[in-house]
Amino acid sequence: TQLLEQSPQFLSIQEGENLTVYCNSSSVFSSLQWYRQEPGEGPVLLVTVVTGGEVKKLKRLTFQFGDARKDSSLHITAAQPGDTGLYLCAGANAGKSTFGDGTTLTVKP
Amino acid sequence: SQTIHQWPATLVQPVGSPLSLECTVEGTSNPNLYWYRQAAGRGLQLLFYSVGIGQISSEVPQNLSASRPQDRQFILSSKKLLLSDSGFYLCAWSSETGRSNQPQHFGDGTRLSIL
Repeated sequence: TQLLEQSPQFLSIQEGENLTVYCNSSSVFSSLQWYRQEPGEGPVLLVTVVTGGEVKKLKRLTFQFGDARKDSSLHITAAQPGDTGLYLCAGANAGKSTFGDGTTLTVKP
Repeated sequence: SQTIHQWPATLVQPVGSPLSLECTVEGTSNPNLYWYRQAAGRGLQLLFYSVGIGQISSEVPQNLSASRPQDRQFILSSKKLLLSDSGFYLCAWSSETGRSNQPQHFGDGTRLSIL
């Protein structure tokens, strides 16, 4: 069974602060996705990383895939209240995805 | 562009009643389809996935079943609901290209409450 551990589980910060969320596994994935979910809605895809060591940037969000394709991180610079939500990572193999339990981020104005 | 529709958005059902949740995808052919259940503020548990019409794989033993009567239609059902079936149910699709790195795209979910 492939497991993905996300940390921290909860994070509450002030507007303007930086933060990093981690996604770790002992399994190798062919790709990894990050999603953001708001209450009562489905997860929305933020990024897919495929290559070990890959770094992708989406405005103030920076995503990195570990060299061994077992872990990933999401760094947010100068967080804003609109970044509040549940951030989920998902590792993909053979057409199926394994989801982490998510990090609930609250950004206070 | 591709879209995914899930309904109903919310549902309140008594214990022992039947269930039918429907999911349809538009704008793509032969998608992989998935049903997930999510506990409040937590990750997603894969319930069923399908790679084609009539092809259903069950990931966990449970009181639910799934069917795919058409290429872009995925249905989650139960004959008799249990209290433990309460939760947030999400349908998703991904492209079938023979590669395993295709992301999944989610519907807006169904909040199911069993009384």
